[in-house]
Amino acid sequence: EVRLVESGGGLAQPGGSLRLSCAASGFTFSDYSMNWVRQAPGKGLEWISYVNGRSDAKHYADSVKGRFTISRDNAKNSLYLQMNSLRDEDTAVYYCARDRPRGYCSDYWGQGTLVAVSS
Amino acid sequence: QSALTQPASVSGSPGQSITISCTGTSSDVGAYDYVSWYQQHPGKAPKLLIFDVTTRPSGVSDRFSGSKSGNTASLTISGLRTEDEADYYCSSFTTSTTWVFGGGTGLTVL
Repeated sequence: EVRLVESGGGLAQPGGSLRLSCAASGFTFSDYSMNWVRQAPGKGLEWISYVNGRSDAKHYADSVKGRFTISRDNAKNSLYLQMNSLRDEDTAVYYCARDRPRGYCSDYWGQGTLVAVSS
Repeated sequence: QSALTQPASVSGSPGQSITISCTGTSSDVGAYDYVSWYQQHPGKAPKLLIFDVTTRPSGVSDRFSGSKSGNTASLTISGLRTEDEADYYCSSFTTSTTWVFGGGTGLTVL
């Protein structure tokens, strides 16, 4: 069974940092590209970052470019999102999601971790 | 990276069919056949319903179908059921090598 479990969310101050993790199981992690998608309270989904299986292709939404860094450790079956220079508008539930092979979409999602940015 | 345009809400009665539109541009929806649709119930993670415009993943009911014409994609749900009441999001790969979601459509089954 494919399972994705996010952790690392919590309260952060504006300008602060957090590191999210996503533990993957039930599939060969290194074979799949992964994404981070977030959802602000009461709002829609927003794609924020992508990394391929070898970590040689990474993409970011303009809203987080230069502040957030996606990474992965295939030996640990884990995906990460380093979030720096946090802003109030980064408050959201953050989901990690697995890409379908050549599907340009996400077929499995974690349950999400809440990040709240407030002074 | 502007969000794709979806109606904020749609409604239908059990057994009826509804269609949700998703309008983008020639840089996203119109550029590739990489439109997907997701269903999200309150407090839950999104679930993939349709990918590559028309393809259903294994296990998704054939009551859900997708299509595209130009810069607009559509999701049709036939034989509405009360459990279909949820938020629906479209998504597209873009020419900037990014992904963009629609603003979401809340479906009410009356």
